[in-house]
Amino acid sequence: EIVLTQSPDFQSVTRKEKVTITCRASQSIGSSLHWYQQKPDQSPKLLIKSASQSFSGVPSRFSGSGSGTDFTLTINSLEAEDAATYYCHQSSSLPWTFGQGTKVEIK
Amino acid sequence: QVQLVESGGGVVQPGRSLRLSCAASGFTFSTYAMHWVRQAPGKGLEWVAVVSYDGSNKYHTDSVKGRFTISRDNSKNTVYLQMNSLRAEDTAVYYCARDQRQYQLLGEDAFDIWGQGTMVTVSS
Repeated sequence: EIVLTQSPDFQSVTRKEKVTITCRASQSIGSSLHWYQQKPDQSPKLLIKSASQSFSGVPSRFSGSGSGTDFTLTINSLEAEDAATYYCHQSSSLPWTFGQGTKVEIK
Repeated sequence: QVQLVESGGGVVQPGRSLRLSCAASGFTFSTYAMHWVRQAPGKGLEWVAVVSYDGSNKYHTDSVKGRFTISRDNSKNTVYLQMNSLRAEDTAVYYCARDQRQYQLLGEDAFDIWGQGTMVTVSS
């Protein structure tokens, strides 16, 4: 099973600041890495697919990069509505797995 | 609009069974692989199972193998999760989700549409 490790687990950030979340895979997964946002009491929403492709309707301040084992989700100029938990997910090798999540709080 | 609606959750005693349903609308259901993902209270996401677009391929995570079975009925636009021999550790919100690309056998892509979830509580 491929283990995805996100860092940090928690981040407290002021509005307009840049946020960087990393996801490291226990083995190479090419670009089969996706990012989701989950707000409290809501279902997850797809932000970025295949490491760097923005999903339809997602604000341009969200971007993804990386390949192989190291990936990054970047939120440029954080907005209050971006307070949420972010998860990475790999679809390279069954069973599909998720990272443990990174909670982003607005200071 | 494109929508997934789960149902069938509830409170059940350990060892008993429950069947979850996920009704799809607004898209050609029979061309998409479908997944179940769960989230224990206060915890992260855990992928549970996938069924191919035509129902011919299924895969379950190890922790539910032999107890849970995913299936689908394309004539009813519905995917199911039959859960037997339930344990306390199966307590979670269960989400169904659509694989983003069509005609995938095991869902080798992102999950682009999610339902609102249905809560399953296993407790005596």
